[in-house]
Amino acid sequence: NAGVMQNPRHLVRRRGQEARLRCSPMKGHSHVYWYRQLPEEGLKFMVYLQKENIIDESGMPKERFSAEFPKEGPSILRIQQVVRGDSAAYFCASSPPGGRREAFFGQGTRLTVV
Amino acid sequence: ILNVEQSPQSLHVQEGDSTNFTCSFPSSNFYALHWYRWETAKSPEALFVMTLNGDEKKKGRISATLNTKEGYSYLYIKGSQPEDSATYLCAPPQAGTALIFGKGTTLSVSS
Repeated sequence: NAGVMQNPRHLVRRRGQEARLRCSPMKGHSHVYWYRQLPEEGLKFMVYLQKENIIDESGMPKERFSAEFPKEGPSILRIQQVVRGDSAAYFCASSPPGGRREAFFGQGTRLTVV
Repeated sequence: ILNVEQSPQSLHVQEGDSTNFTCSFPSSNFYALHWYRWETAKSPEALFVMTLNGDEKKKGRISATLNTKEGYSYLYIKGSQPEDSATYLCAPPQAGTALIFGKGTTLSVSS
């Protein structure tokens, strides 16, 4: 059973371009969480998704950021018109339904905006 | 978003010392409490998921206790080793809510 797979591991984008980060959850996991690690900060929650539904996007910036978890395929975190401040490590995690089972994290995507 | 407090923010101990830190959370509508270890340049790794008041869980030299009535959990490390150096995160999800972590306690163990 493969773990949570994130790709790419490293992504470089110029200011104004779009960044697409992918997360394939563990087999059998229907819940996905996205987090951002900014310098000198902890793991900040962005969005919580189930298949085809956004459950909680309270941590997501209102503009330029969007997330989806389609019925088929990986979850996608999309950042439009990237700015230097978007440079960070983005982690996703997946879990079975409910909050009483541990979540498993991917290795993260390091986004650098130049 | 739940108010999760972790203390201390950081601490430095010598190899062989035992240490503990705290996760505080609202006691109302308690559902579960997660502890994770996050080593530098790696991804967070689950340590424990606790659900019952009075729960005590152990993994090697690391153990955790849970008090849901007063809203806190302690994480203990016995005989700290350099490989225990990491940030320890807790998250108290409620039913159907996201895992939202506290800012963590960063532990540094010197040999």
